[in-house]
Amino acid sequence: DTAVSQTPKYLVTQMGNDKSIKCEQNLGHDTMYWYKQDSKKFLKIMFSYNNKELIINETVPNRFSPKSPDKAHLNLHINSLELGDSAVYFCASSPGTGEHEQYFGPGTRLTVT
Amino acid sequence: SQKIEQNSEALNIQEGKTATLTCNYTNYSPAYLQWYRQDPGRGPVFLLLIRENEKEKRKERLKVTFDTTLKQSLFHITASQPADSATYLCALDPAGGSYIPTFGRGTSLIVHP
Repeated sequence: DTAVSQTPKYLVTQMGNDKSIKCEQNLGHDTMYWYKQDSKKFLKIMFSYNNKELIINETVPNRFSPKSPDKAHLNLHINSLELGDSAVYFCASSPGTGEHEQYFGPGTRLTVT
Repeated sequence: SQKIEQNSEALNIQEGKTATLTCNYTNYSPAYLQWYRQDPGRGPVFLLLIRENEKEKRKERLKVTFDTTLKQSLFHITASQPADSATYLCALDPAGGSYIPTFGRGTSLIVHP
């Protein structure tokens, strides 16, 4: 059984387009996250949701909008894509209540041309 | 500013030897420190968590130490195998229960048969 899944695995699109990445976890966790890993391999937190509520919103352009329809899903919508948005985006989840380990999805490689 | 430093150069060792990876941090008082493994094209996988009041943690062939005076964690893999080849990331959790770890850039480990 897949614990944290993301779709699509690869996304190639042109500048200015709008795209979404979907994430689902079947672990029953309360907290979900979006991370961005750039070409230098730095893994940076973008958003954190706890029970469908936004907890953390790091310095991310407002072109990025997370949406959590329920606590098992956290989708990422990106408007007006730019070249600098090219990266691998990881969804993750954690139990959130005193347990800190994170469970990551397989990643979505976004390429903006 | 807060900094997490891991060796950017790959660590090359022979099969059967002990691999030791270092994570140093500055301007940070983490309550927890975690180690993850990341294989190419995949999401990070949680390995071990150590708390600030713990000196050492073990799991099978893995051992983590945490020295809050030196501001350093060491990650050891004993009897290393080629299958241990991967990038290893350390992540620091602040106190306060935010459960948002900050990741280091990771160190690549290559175990030669």
